[in-house]
Amino acid sequence: AQSVTQLDSHVSVSEGTPVLLRCNYSSSYSPSLFWYVQHPNKGLQLLLKYTSAATLVKGINGFEAEFKKSETSFHLTKPSAHMSDAAEYFCVVSEVSSASKIIFGSGTRLSIRP
Amino acid sequence: NAGVMQNPRHLVRRRGQEARLRCSPMKGHSHVYWYRQLPEEGLKFMVYLQKENIIDESGMPKERFSAEFPKEGPSILRIQQVVRGDSAAYFCASSPLGGDPDSPLHFGNGTRLTVT
Repeated sequence: AQSVTQLDSHVSVSEGTPVLLRCNYSSSYSPSLFWYVQHPNKGLQLLLKYTSAATLVKGINGFEAEFKKSETSFHLTKPSAHMSDAAEYFCVVSEVSSASKIIFGSGTRLSIRP
Repeated sequence: NAGVMQNPRHLVRRRGQEARLRCSPMKGHSHVYWYRQLPEEGLKFMVYLQKENIIDESGMPKERFSAEFPKEGPSILRIQQVVRGDSAAYFCASSPLGGDPDSPLHFGNGTRLTVT
């Protein structure tokens, strides 16, 4: 069975400092992994996806994530946080061709201090 | 190219009333997914539909909830006899290739249902 765990429910960083949002997954097969961002009262927007190509994936707004199979991790990073990055971030794992197998993490709320 | 359109954005219903949530997928997408987001929680899968077919409804509550995606018109999520526990944000997503694990979902802005 597949699952996804976001290790921090809330992360707070100062503007201009690095961001690290952690995600671990379990999967019986080679998964596809995604990060989505949700701004207040908005839908979810795709940040980036990993689909068994390059392990370091670059997304929009300066975010990137690295797939580490040995650690079963897919952490999201950004070198320098901006105030507009404050939002909820969801790590998502998709394993087989079944809609119910697209599993969302519980989310990490990112706050940016001025 | 308009994105996924959901309406209404906000819906208030009294206990026992019916709620109807509508979703128009992106142009060219024929696969629709409904998710529910409770406060402070992630998204929970409810149902996956193609035109005129329910493909996977394993996340739907057994009673009071139903979904359809007719040949013409938007997908509808219907909740009968609403209770306070139904208060949540309901998100619709669409994709061009249903069931493809590599195909990202495109989300609408959600309908926030409040049951009083």
